Amino acid sequence: GAVVSQHPSRVICKSGTSVKIECRSLDFQATTMFWYRQFPKQSLMLMATSNEGSKATYEQGVEKDKFLINHASLTLSTLTVTSAHPEDSSFYICSAQIAGLNEQFFGPGTRLTVL
Amino acid sequence: KNQVEQSPQSLIILEGKNCTLQCNYTVSPFSNLRWYKQDTGRGPVSLTIMTFSENTKSNGRYTATLDADTKQSSLHITASQLSDSASYICVVTYTGTASKLTFGTGTRLQVTL
Repeated sequence: GAVVSQHPSRVICKSGTSVKIECRSLDFQATTMFWYRQFPKQSLMLMATSNEGSKATYEQGVEKDKFLINHASLTLSTLTVTSAHPEDSSFYICSAQIAGLNEQFFGPGTRLTVL
Repeated sequence: KNQVEQSPQSLIILEGKNCTLQCNYTVSPFSNLRWYKQDTGRGPVSLTIMTFSENTKSNGRYTATLDADTKQSSLHITASQLSDSASYICVVTYTGTASKLTFGTGTRLQVTL
């Protein structure tokens, strides 16, 4: 149980284009989902927290207009990287939390490469 | 200064050997401490979770210890296997910010023949 999937697993795009990453909780309902970014040999950095049906809360330094987060249902959250640039190339990982359970279940990650 | 520091930064051991990874944290008060295993190019997978009142927790060949007084935790891997090669991350949660995780810097473990 508690499986989280991400799609796509890797994406390569041209600079200036937008990329959407999906995060799904497959066998449970997630009231809260989190988006992290991880650069090579570094730890995960929280970008934003999203609750179903409300606006995401972004961490300091994360541009909300560049990283659009939508949590339209209890099993799906999306992260859209708008007008991507090479410096946005990173490993993006989502996690999902069951209401009342203090544990996050992580997805397998999405490798984004912006040329 | 990172509030969760791990050592060593990287480690190479022979298959079958044991090893111990360290985690020191300054987060206080804390709710719980987790150890995750992260394979290259994959998301983290939980190995153990301990509250401040727990001293040790095992999961197969993985045994985590916690000393809340000294704010130290360790992860001991017994009889290492090639598949143990991964990054091991210590994660601490603050009391009161139940969902916000503070990630350690990680230890990269390589198990060789």
